[in-house]
Amino acid sequence: AQSVTQLDSQVPVFEEAPVELRCNYSSSVSVYLFWYVQYPNQGLQLLLKYLSGSTLVKGINGFEAEFNKSQTSFHLRKPSVHISDTAEYFCALGRGGGFKTIFGAGTRLFVKA
Amino acid sequence: DAMVIQNPRYQVTQFGKPVTLSCSQTLNHNVMYWYQQKSSQAPKLLFHYYDKDFNNEADTPDNFQSRRPNTSFCFLDIRSPGLGDAAMYLCATSRVGVTDTQYFGPGTRLTVL
Repeated sequence: AQSVTQLDSQVPVFEEAPVELRCNYSSSVSVYLFWYVQYPNQGLQLLLKYLSGSTLVKGINGFEAEFNKSQTSFHLRKPSVHISDTAEYFCALGRGGGFKTIFGAGTRLFVKA
Repeated sequence: DAMVIQNPRYQVTQFGKPVTLSCSQTLNHNVMYWYQQKSSQAPKLLFHYYDKDFNNEADTPDNFQSRRPNTSFCFLDIRSPGLGDAAMYLCATSRVGVTDTQYFGPGTRLTVL
């Protein structure tokens, strides 16, 4: 069975500090991995995705993630956060040829001034 | 230049009174999805359409139905809403399957009294 675990439900961080949001996945087949961001009362927006190739994926808003197959992880990082990065972040996985995306429970990033 | 539009943004209904949520897209994507997202939880896929082909998730209650009269529009019908159906309902589209970026609408927040 496929699953996604986001290890932190909330991450408080000061503005301009680096941040890492952790995501582990479980799957017996090759997967595609995604990070989405959700601002209050809005839909989800894709930050980045890993399909194949380079394990370091760069996304929008200065975010990047690294796919680590041996550790089954796909952690999201940003070297310097802004107040405007305060939002809910979802890690997700999908299986090739399919339509179902499985989301993690989300990590609330709270950036403090 | 909104790409995925959901109406209404907020819907209040009474216990047991049928309700319909609407989604439209200007992207001409083949696939349309409906997700249910309860407070502080991950979005959960209810069903999707690939063109006219309807695909129901195994654990989606029979109370939930969907219609897609054309490429641009998709409706979510809840035949007899219960208190447990109060949630944010998200519509999303993609060109093809899971490897493609999903574009989400802003969601409809459903309240059941």
